[in-house]
Amino acid sequence: EDQVTQSPEALRLQEGESSSLNCSYTVSGLRGLFWYRQDPGKGPEFLFTLYSAGEEKEKERLKATLTKKESFLHITAPKPEDSATYLCAVQAESGGSNYKLTFGKGTLLTVNP
Amino acid sequence: SAVISQKPSRDICQRGTSLTIQCQVDSQVTMMFWYRQQPGQSLTLIATANQGSEATYESGFVIDKFPISRPNLTFSTLTVSNMSPEDSSIYLCSVSSGSYEQYFGPGTRLTVT
Repeated sequence: EDQVTQSPEALRLQEGESSSLNCSYTVSGLRGLFWYRQDPGKGPEFLFTLYSAGEEKEKERLKATLTKKESFLHITAPKPEDSATYLCAVQAESGGSNYKLTFGKGTLLTVNP
Repeated sequence: SAVISQKPSRDICQRGTSLTIQCQVDSQVTMMFWYRQQPGQSLTLIATANQGSEATYESGFVIDKFPISRPNLTFSTLTVSNMSPEDSSIYLCSVSSGSYEQYFGPGTRLTVT
């Protein structure tokens, strides 16, 4: 069974204080690892897809990296508008539902001004 | 990416009744999915909505409880039948077309009393 564990559950940062969120996963053949951002009362917003170990993707202050066991979402010099829940999900190469995303519980990030 | 809307955005329903949630996309998409997000839990796939055939349900979800329709490439419905308080949740549709990324609608917040 595919599993995704995100840590920490919650993270509070001061504006400009860089940090990283962790996503550990076990999957029977990784097709892709996905990062989403979710604001309160809204659906998840797609951020990145990573397909193979060593791959990195960047978007503004966010940088996602991938190894064979985990992914990190690095946040550089965060701003209050980066406050949200960040979700990590994996998609396996095979299975009854080939496009199924298995999600972690998320990390609630709060950036104080 | 596609613009996805859901109706209703929220509802409060009585135990034993049913609610149908609509998901509309502004362009044709290959895949449509229904997820559930319960408080403190991970986003969980209920089923894949297949156009012109029965939906494919994940383990723990059955058609009698969550009947799904997909009459065309831009529209799907999820019905939550014979509701109980345990069905209180956020229900989200997502779409995918030509890639592995999934894009989510805004969600429907359901409260069962």
